[in-house]
Amino acid sequence: QKEVEQNSGPLSVPEGAIASLNCTYSDRGSQSFFWYRQYSGKSPELIMSIYSNGDKEDGRFTAQLNKASQYVSLLIRDSQPSDSATYLCAVLWGNFGNEKLTFGTGTRLTIIP
Amino acid sequence: DADVTQTPRNRITKTGKRIMLECSQTKGHDRMYWYRQDPGLGLRLIYYSFDVKDINKGEISDGYSVSRQAQAKFSLSLESAIPNQTALYFCATSDPSDGTSNYGYTFGSGTRLTVV
Repeated sequence: QKEVEQNSGPLSVPEGAIASLNCTYSDRGSQSFFWYRQYSGKSPELIMSIYSNGDKEDGRFTAQLNKASQYVSLLIRDSQPSDSATYLCAVLWGNFGNEKLTFGTGTRLTIIP
Repeated sequence: DADVTQTPRNRITKTGKRIMLECSQTKGHDRMYWYRQDPGLGLRLIYYSFDVKDINKGEISDGYSVSRQAQAKFSLSLESAIPNQTALYFCATSDPSDGTSNYGYTFGSGTRLTVV
């Protein structure tokens, strides 16, 4: 069973600060990693994908990947109240043509005004 | 209209009843998935289909069945509903050849199912 681990939180961060969300995964062969944002009662929304070691930036979001440590993180700069949500880490695994996503349980983030 | 549409949005049913959740998509994706979400357990894969003739069990398929009626339609059935199937159910689609999302899933709005 492929596992994706996240701290469930809640993680509270003051408005304007940096929120740091972490994820570890068990399948060393995984190549693709995703972060989804889910507001309460709503469906998950893809916000970042990362495939190579290092950092990937998109606006206020930065995804970081370290395959050797099997670790993925998401940084949110200048946190806003609208960033309050649950963030799901997802890892793609499986043979070519049979890939599937496994999701972590999510980290609930609250931005304090 | 939404790219991935799920019906119904909410449903309350009694133990032992058969119920069908429907999913349709306009994205033209071959791959479709059914997940359930429970508090503290995250999203768990029930069934998935990579094309119309392909149906595969996920990690929690017991008590569920699916039908892929067309590329755009993927239905989930609970043959005899039980209370521990109370959950939020999501349909999703993906297309590995989609350069903008590259395996990122597009989710429907979800069906909140309560079995009493």
